[in-house]
Amino acid sequence: SQQGEEDPQALSIQEGENATMNCSYKTSINNLQWYRQNSGRGLVHLILIRSNEREKHSGRLRVTLDTSKKSSSLLITASRAADTASYFCATDRSGGSEKLVFGKGTKLTVNP
Amino acid sequence: DGGITQSPKYLFRKEGQNVTLSCEQNLNHDAMYWYRQDPGQGLRLIYYSQIVNDFQKGDIAEGYSVSREKKESFPLTVTSAQKNPTAFYLCATLQRGPGNEQFFGPGTRLTVL
Repeated sequence: SQQGEEDPQALSIQEGENATMNCSYKTSINNLQWYRQNSGRGLVHLILIRSNEREKHSGRLRVTLDTSKKSSSLLITASRAADTASYFCATDRSGGSEKLVFGKGTKLTVNP
Repeated sequence: DGGITQSPKYLFRKEGQNVTLSCEQNLNHDAMYWYRQDPGQGLRLIYYSQIVNDFQKGDIAEGYSVSREKKESFPLTVTSAQKNPTAFYLCATLQRGPGNEQFFGPGTRLTVL
């Protein structure tokens, strides 16, 4: 079952602009993670935010989490053409499950 | 993709044939996973294994089988019972800890002719 749902499904911006992607989920979670996938490749872990955290930064990435709304956002600042990829959120549910549940992703295109 | 290899990268199969996808890891992780990804879609869990000699069905296990005889290896067999096997298959491992971060292989693209 798909717990995370990202929006928008696709996003096209110019280099230098900021890109914001959102993720909503349905059940209680231990943490929420964001992954990146270049076309035809495997996923790469970007950042994790725990359920007791509200905001986290890593380089040009900023993640927020609102557990009351069951939603998260990923902000990429000063985007580059190399940021072009699909971005997925994944939730690690409460209860000790070692399964992540992935959303359908946001396809980001950064135009030079 | 470092630490996890999947082979082959591209695989073609005729209808009615079984085919086995390889996944090998040198990360010393106990847990391993197989996902299926269809175009424009997210990942759906096929099977996972939390320890050697044990594995569990995921959300879409029908038509697939796995084995976990060694810690390093988690092969996936796509059987003829899988009605629509053309997809991109991803293998992953889990680094246990506060975050349970997953590491992914480069994937195998299976096409049924």
